[in-house]
Amino acid sequence: GAVVSQHPSRVICKSGTSVKIECRSLDFQATTMFWYRQFPKKSLMLMATSNEGSKATYEQGVEKDKFLINHASLTLSTLTVTSAHPEDSSFYICSAPQRGQGGEQYFGPGTRLTVT
Amino acid sequence: DAKTTQPTSMDCAEGRAANLPCNHSTISGNEYVYWYRQIHSQGPQYIIHGLKNNETNEMASLIITEDRKSSTLILPHATLRDTAVYYCIVPGYSSASKIIFGSGTRLSIRP
Repeated sequence: GAVVSQHPSRVICKSGTSVKIECRSLDFQATTMFWYRQFPKKSLMLMATSNEGSKATYEQGVEKDKFLINHASLTLSTLTVTSAHPEDSSFYICSAPQRGQGGEQYFGPGTRLTVT
Repeated sequence: DAKTTQPTSMDCAEGRAANLPCNHSTISGNEYVYWYRQIHSQGPQYIIHGLKNNETNEMASLIITEDRKSSTLILPHATLRDTAVYYCIVPGYSSASKIIFGSGTRLSIRP
């Protein structure tokens, strides 16, 4: 199956700093990618849709100025958590649909962010 | 998106078939049913999807009722590595539709 990677897998940062998370589709092109966050023992919550070459679409309640998304190429989307605070500590996961393959999506392994 | 309903948790003995039900009574005629699972601290993994006919792949079988209002995911010989949260999802018409996750079913495989 298709492979989606994320980098870094784990990151610890200090409160007030910004953190960038990368999501790459390794063997296919993705004009659309999705970003999720997941708190312990909770389900995944969709944050935004990343669109190659255009602005991201954010879900209701997600601050676009805090979670900056850039989809500069057909294989890379980045999520930057700006001015991170401890409450931003979470598991961040991206996904990408592989067109022409029945619509299934492929998920990255996730990035564990801890803000101290 | 059609809403889905799944049991919160289930357990199954290792080596036995695990049957995970899902209700999707508001599904529309052309909407697919997808199943994903998430093993602890990993990203979700695609399992299988179907429209009307039953489907089988190397991971599982998907049985969809004739009225399409419910389906069952079958893991034929469950192993300890199948312990995960299983999500039944009806994402809509577009092949690139965003996936909204519900609570899923937490499946525990006991030795």
